[in-house]
Formats: sequence, C-alpha cells, structure tokens
Amino acid sequence: AQSVAQPEDQVNVAEGNPLTVKCTYSVSGNPYLFWYVQYPNRGLQFLLKYITGDNLVKGSYGFEAEFNKSQTSFHLKKPSALVSDSALYFCAGLSTGTASKLTFGTGTRLQVTL
Amino acid sequence: DSGVTQTPKHLITATGQRVTLRCSPRSGDLSVYWYQQSLDQGLQFLIQYYNGEERAKGNILERFSAQQFPDLHSELNLSSLELGDSALYFCASSMGPQGSYTFGSGTRLTVV
Repeated sequence: AQSVAQPEDQVNVAEGNPLTVKCTYSVSGNPYLFWYVQYPNRGLQFLLKYITGDNLVKGSYGFEAEFNKSQTSFHLKKPSALVSDSALYFCAGLSTGTASKLTFGTGTRLQVTL
Repeated sequence: DSGVTQTPKHLITATGQRVTLRCSPRSGDLSVYWYQQSLDQGLQFLIQYYNGEERAKGNILERFSAQQFPDLHSELNLSSLELGDSALYFCASSMGPQGSYTFGSGTRLTVV
C-alpha cells in the first residue's frame, strides 16, 4: 500500500518570503515522489521528482524539494515566493512495477500575497 | 501545450446519458492514465493502459469503461450518468510505467 499526505489545506505567505508546502509519504520499497502544480482551469504541471540520489531536488520555476527518509517527508520549498506561484500543489507517490500509478495527496492551496 | 490532447474541453449532459471522452497522448508515450478530480474526492486514479493493454485499475465504477487503441489514443466511456459524476476528467501519459506523467488540460463534465 502507498499513500501521500498533505497536512495543510492552505498555505499563506507574503511575496518575497520563503515558502514550504508539506508532504509525507508511506510507500513500500524505494519511494518515487513527485510534485505537480495546478493553476485554475488547467491541467497538472510537473514540477520535480525524486527517484534516487541527492536529497535536494531542484525543479521548475525555482522550486525545490527535500527528501527526508527518516521523517518520510518530501516538502516543497522556494526561497522567495511570487504572487504568480499561487496555485494548487499536489504531492504524489509512484508505485513501482508494471502496474504502477501515481497516487496523489489531497492538495495544498498556496496563496501568495503582496 | 503539454502535448496531451483531451477533447472535448467541456461537456454538459443529462442524467442517464452516455458520453465519451477522448485523449491523445504525447508523442512517444505508451502509457495513458485517467483521473477524476472532484471537489470532495480530490484526484482519483481510474485506470491505466500501456501500449493497448489495461495495466492497472483504480476506483473506476462499473458504469465507466476505457480502452486504448492501436494508435495509442484512449477513450473513457461514462454511461448511465449521475449528478455525482460531474467532475474534471484528466488524461495523462508517460513513456513507461515509471516515467513522469504529462497531463492534458482535462474535460469538465457537468451532469444536469
């Protein structure tokens, strides 16, 4: 069984401040973890993924995520938030094998204000 | 443009009706996935196809069915529609079972 959890429904941050969107995972075997972003009336866009290797993963639009095995977390971060970062963010875990599928968290709405 | 094409973008239909949603995957991608996004259920995995074969099934209702054709496009058929089927239906594709997914822009289905 696998699952990912996003404990916060919404995160509010002022523009220019650092942001963190939290995600914890529970997957069997080696975790394959992803972050996606969804803007209003749009599909999901891939931000970054962790497969193996460095615990700090850099992605699109200045985002990065830190994989922490001991805490089973994969938090999304950005050093300086922009108003245009306001969107719905999804963490996802991928089961391995031929019948793999992405399982998504419930999503966290990020609101960046001036 | 993500490279994954979904049609139609919007669909309004009555209860009891049947609709077909279409998805063309990104060029070179063999896997197609269908997801349902509703306000109260979040993103729910429905079904996966790989090179024409069904590979994984999620919480897909018996009223729903899908297939992937030899040209790799996929169709999701929803029948005996109920009000609760109103949602955004997303298709995603990937090169293989463990590749990054590329999502289409979705089909918004409204059942009235």
